[in-house]
Amino acid sequence: QQQVKQSPQSLIVQKGGIPIINCAYENTAFDYFPWYQQFPGKGPALLIAIRPDVSEKKEGRFTISFNKSAKQFSLHIMDSQPGDSATYFCAASRGSGNTGKLIFGQGTTLQVKP
Amino acid sequence: DADVTQTPRNRITKTGKRIMLECSQTKGHDRMYWYRQDPGLGLRLIYYSFDVKDINKGEISDGYSVSRQAQAKFSLSLESAIPNQTALYFCATSENGGRDTQYFGPGTRLTVL
Repeated sequence: QQQVKQSPQSLIVQKGGIPIINCAYENTAFDYFPWYQQFPGKGPALLIAIRPDVSEKKEGRFTISFNKSAKQFSLHIMDSQPGDSATYFCAASRGSGNTGKLIFGQGTTLQVKP
Repeated sequence: DADVTQTPRNRITKTGKRIMLECSQTKGHDRMYWYRQDPGLGLRLIYYSFDVKDINKGEISDGYSVSRQAQAKFSLSLESAIPNQTALYFCATSENGGRDTQYFGPGTRLTVL
């Protein structure tokens, strides 16, 4: 059973476009939602994270939007660049439970064309 | 950076062989994790360890075993490899659980023929 569902599986945008990646979760006990970025040949690395007490978080060109009632969250990349081409994973965990177990989405491969 | 290292980086083996993947970290973290990455399935947790004496199964532990030899070392073994264990394997560490960042190694690409 996939507890975190991510879409789309792949995405192609032109430079300057705003790709949006969506995730939906089932477990209402989740209270920490990070996004990880993975470049080819590398391990994933934390990009940005949000807690459910806020509806939006921005870090540079990356924004997470969070809708607690719909149990959905999304990543927006403003003014996307070819260097943003990577695989993006959303994840969820019970931060307050302190187990550290992350449940990952299926991943989205983003290509930003010059 | 090389805070989390994995060996080997690539491995081709045959069905039925025993294989060990190794992970070492210099971050001083207590918590270590093994994940498997498959296209379309994302990252799935195999095993995790809170310290040397505390090892726990993840969502897909069947066919795998682990050993935490020291705080800095966490090994994953495939007792009798099978082709559907062909995947990219990642080790990760975190200082604590909950909302702490997980730091991933560069991965091991394993092919089972």
